[in-house]
Amino acid sequence: DSGVTQTPKHLITATGQRVTLRCSPRSGDLSVYWYQQSLDQGLQFLIQYYNGEERAKGNILERFSAQQFPDLHSELNLSSLELGDSALYFCASSVGASGGTDTQYFGPGTRLTVL
Amino acid sequence: AQSVTQPDIHITVSEGASLELRCNYSYGATPYLFWYVQSPGQGLQLLLKYFSGDTLVQGIKGFEAEFKRSQSSFNLRKPSVHWSDAAEYFCAVGAVMRGNTPLVFGKGTRLSVIA
Repeated sequence: DSGVTQTPKHLITATGQRVTLRCSPRSGDLSVYWYQQSLDQGLQFLIQYYNGEERAKGNILERFSAQQFPDLHSELNLSSLELGDSALYFCASSVGASGGTDTQYFGPGTRLTVL
Repeated sequence: AQSVTQPDIHITVSEGASLELRCNYSYGATPYLFWYVQSPGQGLQLLLKYFSGDTLVQGIKGFEAEFKRSQSSFNLRKPSVHWSDAAEYFCAVGAVMRGNTPLVFGKGTRLSVIA
């Protein structure tokens, strides 16, 4: 158990819909990272927040957005969903702001299925 | 920007045999290197990491990795594989410079263990 929690574990929805994935970091961690894992693209970095501020941005679509709240939990919002958005979405957390050097601890993931 | 190549998509080894998983990276500065393991239905767990110093790094579960700058490699090894080691293994390279994707993962190597 990494100490990072993600809800829900599974999500099934239809194309065009909007969903929200939630992540609570480990106690004391200030950074939250979001990743998308699919068979064809592998593990892709989406976005990082550090202490409420956006820190780094990766291959995140405009239909996707995220935020980190004052209690440090984070939400990833996915809208106008397409079949290709079906994937495993991971959240990770770390103590500091540098995701390239800090150890990132991963949650169990949310499996999103878009029908 | 940094990149990682894991040349082997799938490797099968016998229980008790030795294991080496290959990882090659590309990064203009001193790399921060990581190996993560993902068991079926689980999140990623850190096995070991290299920042500087001794080029042979010891990790959890009996794994070790060797950093070879001349070959841009960070191969993961284990002298004797157990059936519980069957999983997906990911190599990652971290960027120090802000503006880069914090952590870039390889596509992964799936390890199967046979009796």
